[in-house]
Amino acid sequence: NAGVTQTPKFRVLKTGQSMTLLCAQDMNHEYMYWYRQDPGMGLRLIHYSVGEGTTAKGEVPDGYNVSRLKKQNFLLGLESAAPSQTSVYFCASRFGTVRYGYTFGSGTRLTVV
Amino acid sequence: QQQVKQSPQSLIVQKGGIPIINCAYENTAFDYFPWYQQFPGKGPALLIAIRPDVSEKKEGRFTISFNKSAKQFSLHIMDSQPGDSATYFCAASPTLIGGGADGLTFGKGTHLIIQP
Repeated sequence: NAGVTQTPKFRVLKTGQSMTLLCAQDMNHEYMYWYRQDPGMGLRLIHYSVGEGTTAKGEVPDGYNVSRLKKQNFLLGLESAAPSQTSVYFCASRFGTVRYGYTFGSGTRLTVV
Repeated sequence: QQQVKQSPQSLIVQKGGIPIINCAYENTAFDYFPWYQQFPGKGPALLIAIRPDVSEKKEGRFTISFNKSAKQFSLHIMDSQPGDSATYFCAASPTLIGGGADGLTFGKGTHLIIQP
C-alpha cells in the first residue's frame, strides 16, 4: 500500500521548458489536489479534482494545467516553465466523505533556471 | 489574500515545555480546522483536527483549543520532546454546503525546535 506517490522527486528545468508531474494514489480516493509550498508561504492550492474527468482551479492556478483521466492519477503540467514556478509541489488525496482525511505525497522539488 | 493567519513563524522551546501555536481565520464559511506536522523532506501529515462546535480536543500530548467567537484556534504540545521538532501548519476547510470551492487553506507555518 503505497498511498500517494509523486514522480519525479526532483527536477531542474530551463525557463520555457515544459514538464508533467505525476501523482498516483492507490486508496481509491475520489478527491485529489495539487499544492505548492514556498518558504514562508505555507501550502497554496493550485488545482483540484473531485472525481475522474473533473478539475477545478484553486488559489494559484496561473501557469499550470491539470488532468484527471483516471481516478487514481492526477497530472500537473507546466507548459512554459518560469523561475517563479520554482517550488516544492505536493499532491494530496482523500475520500469524498472524509473531509479531514487528506493524505499527502512526499513532494516534487522543482527548480526552474 | 491570506485567510488563515498563523503565529509565531518560528519557536524554540526547551524539552518538557509547552509550545503554543496560534491561528486566526476570517472566513466564517470554514467549519473544519486540522493541524498538520511536516518533517524535512516529507509531506504534511495530519496531527489533530477540530470542528467549531467543540472548544477543546486532546489527542495524546497534542491539544487544540478553539474560540469560535474570536475566530481563533491554537495548538498546544504537552511535555514537548526533541522528536516534535518540525514545521506545523494550521489549516481550515470550507463548508461544502452550497457547492463552494474545495481544498484546505493553510497558514504559513511555524518552525518549531525543541531543545534537549
